[in-house]
Amino acid sequence: DIALTQSPATLSVSPGERVTLSCRASQTVAGNLAWYQQRPGQAPRLLIYETSTRATGVPARFSGSGSETEFVLTISSLQSEDVAVYYCQGYGEWPLWTFGQGTKVQIK
Amino acid sequence: QVQLTQSGPEVREAGASVQVSCKASGYTFTDYSINWVRQAPGQRLEWVAWISTATKHTEIDQRFHDRITLSKDTSTGTAYMEVKNLRSDDTAVYYCARVGSTGTSSNWGQGTLVTVSS
Repeated sequence: DIALTQSPATLSVSPGERVTLSCRASQTVAGNLAWYQQRPGQAPRLLIYETSTRATGVPARFSGSGSETEFVLTISSLQSEDVAVYYCQGYGEWPLWTFGQGTKVQIK
Repeated sequence: QVQLTQSGPEVREAGASVQVSCKASGYTFTDYSINWVRQAPGQRLEWVAWISTATKHTEIDQRFHDRITLSKDTSTGTAYMEVKNLRSDDTAVYYCARVGSTGTSSNWGQGTLVTVSS
């Protein structure tokens, strides 16, 4: 099974700063990599799928990039409402989903 | 709009069973399959099982294959997951999610907290 490792575990960032989150796969997931945002007490919200495609309604400050085993989620200018845990998800081994352990983004 | 509405929180003793339901609305139920994902307190999301809403097929993570049963009622658009022989480490929020054409999901239920007391 594919394992996903996210870094860092926690990030403290000032409002307006750029945020970069990493996700590394133990083997290639091709482009089948998504990113979710999960606020406390809420269900996950899809932000990015197929590595770099923004889901409907997701602000343009969120972008995804990468390939094969290395992926990045970037928030170009952090807003207060972006405080959440972010998970990467591999979905190439239908119908199995694999998740990273999450990166918690906090306001400094 | 697409909605997945799950059943309410449950408390069970270790060794008991629990059934969680996931009622779909706003789309044709049999057009999309359903994944079940759980999240223990403070832990990552983990995939549990999948059910096709159009055929009889299911897939269950091998860690749970002898304790989980999936079913569906296409007449009401509802998917069910039963977990038997509950253990304390089954305490988690259980989510259903509609599997989209891309293979991932932008539609999740609100989650059902299952608490298992030992």
